[in-house]
Amino acid sequence: GDSVTQMEGPVTLSEEAFLTINCTYTATGYPSLFWYVQYPGEGLQLLLKATKADDKGSNKGFEATYRKETTSFHLEKGSVQVSDSAVYFCALGASGTYKYIFGTGTRLKVLA
Amino acid sequence: DVKVTQSSRYLVKRTGEKVFLECVQDMDHENMFWYRQDPGLGLRLIYFSYDVKMKEKGDIPEGYSVSREKKERFSLILESASTNQTSMYLCASSQGGTRPNEKLFFGSGTQLSVL
Repeated sequence: GDSVTQMEGPVTLSEEAFLTINCTYTATGYPSLFWYVQYPGEGLQLLLKATKADDKGSNKGFEATYRKETTSFHLEKGSVQVSDSAVYFCALGASGTYKYIFGTGTRLKVLA
Repeated sequence: DVKVTQSSRYLVKRTGEKVFLECVQDMDHENMFWYRQDPGLGLRLIYFSYDVKMKEKGDIPEGYSVSREKKERFSLILESASTNQTSMYLCASSQGGTRPNEKLFFGSGTQLSVL
């Protein structure tokens, strides 16, 4: 079945460092891909999405490109801030269904 | 501002109790979902509903049931709570369709502890 694998955390970075969180997926058909972020004590909120191959999603300095050839959707940010400390979830929307499948989440901690 | 509201932020129940978790959305969304979130396991789908009175099992439906009598409300029911159901429960909604390229809107979650 469809699945999402993302790198385990926690990831600890200094402010202004470059961030990459890896995400790969297995899916039939043409899924949509998402990154969600969960700040402490809150529910998840959409960070960015891409709905077809080679699409790039971007928001708040974060970017991810839908790579069909490598089945990947890695999250990147050029310069992280303390306020980016959160848990990040990669997810796919399974083609032809109502289902969304989430990775296990990666906790990011950014130090001042 | 669009909202998904979960009735309780924290809940403590005893083993064997019947537990109701309520979720209401104000966006006229077709689809509603219940997930549980556990450390190291991410989000796992319990049940979802694509219309009033329609429901489908997710990946871990055992020990749970759901009710959707009105479009805006989706309830999760633990028939007889057990300690392994201690978890964070997240409700979500989306616009609909069988190609889920629409984003999910999440509630703030209910942290349930079963003693």
